[in-house]
Amino acid sequence: DIEMTQSPSSLSASVRDRVTITCRASQNIGYYLNWYQQEPGKAPKLLIYSASGLQSGVPSRFSGSGSGTDFTLTITSLQPEDFTTYFCQQTHSLPVTSGQGTRLEIK
Amino acid sequence: QVQLQQSGPGLVKPSQTLSLTCAISGDSVSSYGASWNWVRQSPSRGLEWLGRTYHRSKWYNEYTQFLKSRITINPDTSKNQFSLQLNSVTPEDTAVYYCARGNCDGDCQKRGAFDIWGQGTMVTVSS
Repeated sequence: DIEMTQSPSSLSASVRDRVTITCRASQNIGYYLNWYQQEPGKAPKLLIYSASGLQSGVPSRFSGSGSGTDFTLTITSLQPEDFTTYFCQQTHSLPVTSGQGTRLEIK
Repeated sequence: QVQLQQSGPGLVKPSQTLSLTCAISGDSVSSYGASWNWVRQSPSRGLEWLGRTYHRSKWYNEYTQFLKSRITINPDTSKNQFSLQLNSVTPEDTAVYYCARGNCDGDCQKRGAFDIWGQGTMVTVSS
């Protein structure tokens, strides 16, 4: 199985800050990397597909980059609704696997 | 607008079978570019992919090796839905269960990303 390692596991920031979350795959997954946002008690929501594709309806302050084994999710100008949990996921090989999550907290 | 609506019991006794259904609206379970997935989430195991079904001139079912002896995912074309059955459950199977669409339509630009999710079902395994 491909192991997905996210860092940091938690992060404190302020409104209007810029933050970056990283995700590392245990083997080359090309561009098969997706990012999700999950609010408490809700299903995950797709933000970024194929490493850098912005899902329809997602604000442009969210962006993704990377390929192979190293990926980043960047949120510029944090808004109050962005303080929640983020996951990366690989769909390159079965089983589909996800990172352990990054909890973004307000400072 | 594609939506997934989950149904099924929230409490299952140990050794019994967990059964959930995911009804699809706005798309088809037979859709060429989609896969229909089950995922669960618990504090101890995080997000865990369980398996999927999809149609590409014939039906395919793929499961995580970890549950392969206990899990069945079936499409139901007459009702446009798909189901999850997990046999011989234990308290370790307690989790929130989600259905989700994997998107690989057109040129597969989304590379199977899970773009539509059901609302989630909290399933507790307890006597």
